[in-house]
Amino acid sequence: QVQLQESGPGLVKPSQTLSLTCTVSGGSISSGSYYWSWIRQPAGKGLEWIGRIYTSGSTNYNPSLKSRVTISVDTSKNQFSLKLSSVTAADTAVYYCARETIRGSYFDYWGQGTLVTVSS
Amino acid sequence: DIQMTQSPSTLSASVGDRVTITCRASQSISSWLAWYQQKPGKAPKLLIYKASSLESGVPSRFSGSGSGTEFTLTISSLQPDDFATYYCQQYNSFPWTFGQGTKVEIK
Repeated sequence: QVQLQESGPGLVKPSQTLSLTCTVSGGSISSGSYYWSWIRQPAGKGLEWIGRIYTSGSTNYNPSLKSRVTISVDTSKNQFSLKLSSVTAADTAVYYCARETIRGSYFDYWGQGTLVTVSS
Repeated sequence: DIQMTQSPSTLSASVGDRVTITCRASQSISSWLAWYQQKPGKAPKLLIYKASSLESGVPSRFSGSGSGTEFTLTISSLQPDDFATYYCQQYNSFPWTFGQGTKVEIK
């Protein structure tokens, strides 16, 4: 059974960089059958796809965040990571990592989510 | 971006009711649509993909239909465990986008 687990600081100061890591267990992140995505959800609001990475390192980002987002992968640790720069209070949200299938870009496994608050 | 609009935003229903949620896309997305269920404090759970394919392990009372711009999620007989918020997601073109959600409440 595949499991994903987000980790990282729960509090980030405005203008700084948010950094999160997703650790994948129960399966190899190097499997060619999946992309690995980040999705966020502000409190009481809907879901926003941030971007994704393939095992090769190829990425796709949401244009609304593209200038501030970097997603990377470390296959040796079975992890992928998110960096979001120049954060503001509007970036306060629960951040999820998720597995996205290649045969159709829906999300079949999700991490439990981690709340990141942007505040001084 | 493709806008996904769900209706209603909130739905009040009783156990045993047949429930239908609609999701409309701002342009055609063929059948590239998924449905998720989310309970408070939990991650979304995949229910349906490719508009009508039931994810493994999901009860058969859930079904999806539609293509193009209009889609529906139907729960044939609402169970206590089904009170939650439901989201649709298009994966026809980047960026992937979600509907705003439909909350199914106890009547």
